[in-house]
Amino acid sequence: QVQLQQSGPGLVKPSQTLSLTCAISGDTVSSNTATWNWIRQSPSSGLEWLGRTYYRSKWYNDYAISVKSRITINPDTSKNQFSLQLNSVTPEDTAVYYCARGSGGWHYWGQGTLVTVSS
Amino acid sequence: EIVLTQSPGTLSLSPGERATLSCRASQSLSSSYLAWYQQKPGQAPRLLIYGASSRATGIPDRFSGSGSGTDFTLTVSRLEPEDFAVYYCQQYLTSPNTFGQGTKLEIK
Repeated sequence: QVQLQQSGPGLVKPSQTLSLTCAISGDTVSSNTATWNWIRQSPSSGLEWLGRTYYRSKWYNDYAISVKSRITINPDTSKNQFSLQLNSVTPEDTAVYYCARGSGGWHYWGQGTLVTVSS
Repeated sequence: EIVLTQSPGTLSLSPGERATLSCRASQSLSSSYLAWYQQKPGQAPRLLIYGASSRATGIPDRFSGSGSGTDFTLTVSRLEPEDFAVYYCQQYLTSPNTFGQGTKLEIK
């Protein structure tokens, strides 16, 4: 059974960097069949995919155009986890952030982290 | 980017009734790259259906998915009280893997 455990601060100041981590159990971040995704949800934007990392003989990343200039998603094979960094945040980045495993539908999700951007 | 449009926005039904939710894609997804999720307040989305018609592990058989190409349907054959929630479709044919805007299934 795959489990995803999210961690990270729930409050970030404007212009600073939002950082979250998703720890994986029951699978490996280096899986050749899964993708590792970050999504956010706000009342105004619904479910918004932010980006993903995945391994297919080498590492790949791709990101949503809306955040591409500000986002980095990194795998950490030593800790079997992946992380999200979103730079230069504004109040519009306030949302619940989720990590999820993609493999023919997204069967496994993290518990969600409410991140508020406020001074 | 593939756009998914769900209808209706809100569906008001009573327990025991049949629910039919629609998802239309802006381009063809074949029959394999469409998923349905259920979300309740304060919870992460829960996968119900993948590959347009395959039930995820532990999902009751009153939930069924159908469709291909650009038109897909989620049917709940006989509503239970715990089925009242928001439902999303998602395509995973191309990146970005986009979601529909959701259908709220509420108790009439």
